[in-house]
Amino acid sequence: AQSVTQPDIHITVSEGASLELRCNYSYGATPYLFWYVQSPGQGLQLLLKYFSGDTLVQGIKGFEAEFKRSQSSFNLRKPSVHWSDAAEYFCAVVTHNAGNMLTFGGGTRLMVKP
Amino acid sequence: GAVVSQHPSRVICKSGTSVKIECRSLDFQATTMFWYRQFPKQSLMLMATSNEGSKATYEQGVEKDKFLINHASLTLSTLTVTSAHPEDSSFYICSAISGGTEAFFGQGTRLTVV
Repeated sequence: AQSVTQPDIHITVSEGASLELRCNYSYGATPYLFWYVQSPGQGLQLLLKYFSGDTLVQGIKGFEAEFKRSQSSFNLRKPSVHWSDAAEYFCAVVTHNAGNMLTFGGGTRLMVKP
Repeated sequence: GAVVSQHPSRVICKSGTSVKIECRSLDFQATTMFWYRQFPKQSLMLMATSNEGSKATYEQGVEKDKFLINHASLTLSTLTVTSAHPEDSSFYICSAISGGTEAFFGQGTRLTVV
């Protein structure tokens, strides 16, 4: 079965610093990959997605992610973090034999220091 | 992007009563809807998958008689928590897809059973 791992449960960065959130997946083929952000008590907002093609994808709010097949990773990055980026971030995959069902990683809580 | 509306956003109910949560796709027809449960500071756990006009498929460990799912139309799915107990208190989130692989999420429902 497919699985998604986000190794970092919590990350704290200073405002203006760069950010990288890690995501690794386990699946035989290349799945569809997503990053979502969740503010407290809210639903999920899609930041970006990778289906195929260019392995560096750009998303909303200045986020980008790079798919690395050799490492089974899809890490999320932002060059300069803003205080409003503090939230929970989830990596997710959809595998083609799972009826388009999303499998989520455990999430990474991002805190931003002023 | 497509909009999924979930109602209510918060509900408090007495133990033993039933609560209905609605999930509507506002500007597209949702062939499949998913219901997730999220415990505090944890990831989303898929409860069930529902396709319009057919019975929902429940994940292992989810009681189908307790969590009734109805997907009566292409724009509406409902989750009814029957005979609610305090341990059912949680954040419930729905998502919907329309033939593709991108899921759109509702805002979530915070259920508190007292």
